[in-house]
Amino acid sequence: DSGVTQTPKHLITATGQRVTLRCSPRSGDLSVYWYQQSLDQGLQFLIQYYNGEERAKGNILERFSAQQFPDLHSELNLSSLELGDSALYFCASSVVSGRTEAFFGQGTRLTVV
Amino acid sequence: GQQLNQSPQSMFIQEGEDVSMNCTSSSIFNTWLWYKQDPGEGPVLLIALYKAGELTSNGRLTAQFGITRKDSFLNISASIPSDVGIYFCAGLRDDKIIFGKGTRLHILP
Repeated sequence: DSGVTQTPKHLITATGQRVTLRCSPRSGDLSVYWYQQSLDQGLQFLIQYYNGEERAKGNILERFSAQQFPDLHSELNLSSLELGDSALYFCASSVVSGRTEAFFGQGTRLTVV
Repeated sequence: GQQLNQSPQSMFIQEGEDVSMNCTSSSIFNTWLWYKQDPGEGPVLLIALYKAGELTSNGRLTAQFGITRKDSFLNISASIPSDVGIYFCAGLRDDKIIFGKGTRLHILP
């Protein structure tokens, strides 16, 4: 158990809908990263937050947004969903932004039908 | 953008064989990480490397941080069936953790 908690574990929704994925980082970790992994693909970096503020942005679509709350949990919002958004979404947390190893949650498997 | 070239893309080996995979980049990284991912699970950290030239072991796994800071390798000795999975390298730089595309390890019976 990495200590990073993601909910829900599975999500099935229709095209055009909006969903929210939640991540609770390890106790003491200030930084949260979000990644998308499509079938048999690598991990695509979406966005990173550190202590409530956006720190780095990757290949995140405009239909996607995220935030980190004062209690350090983070949410990834995906809207106007398309079939191609079906993927595993992972969050990871680390103690200090970009300087220490990151630990991953179990992921949320999103299926858009 | 920053990219990590991880090779080989996949490997088919016999149980008991040693395995070697590597990552290279055109950019310098401050930290190299190696993860293993089982199907449908999150990546699990295997080894973290913080200093150029550093050689670190974790059981049958050994990884090195290249002297140029642009590459790293992972060796697995005496492979066993539970070593099957996808191995990812990752480099840390400028508040980003950039991942390689992974090496898929298959072990033949």
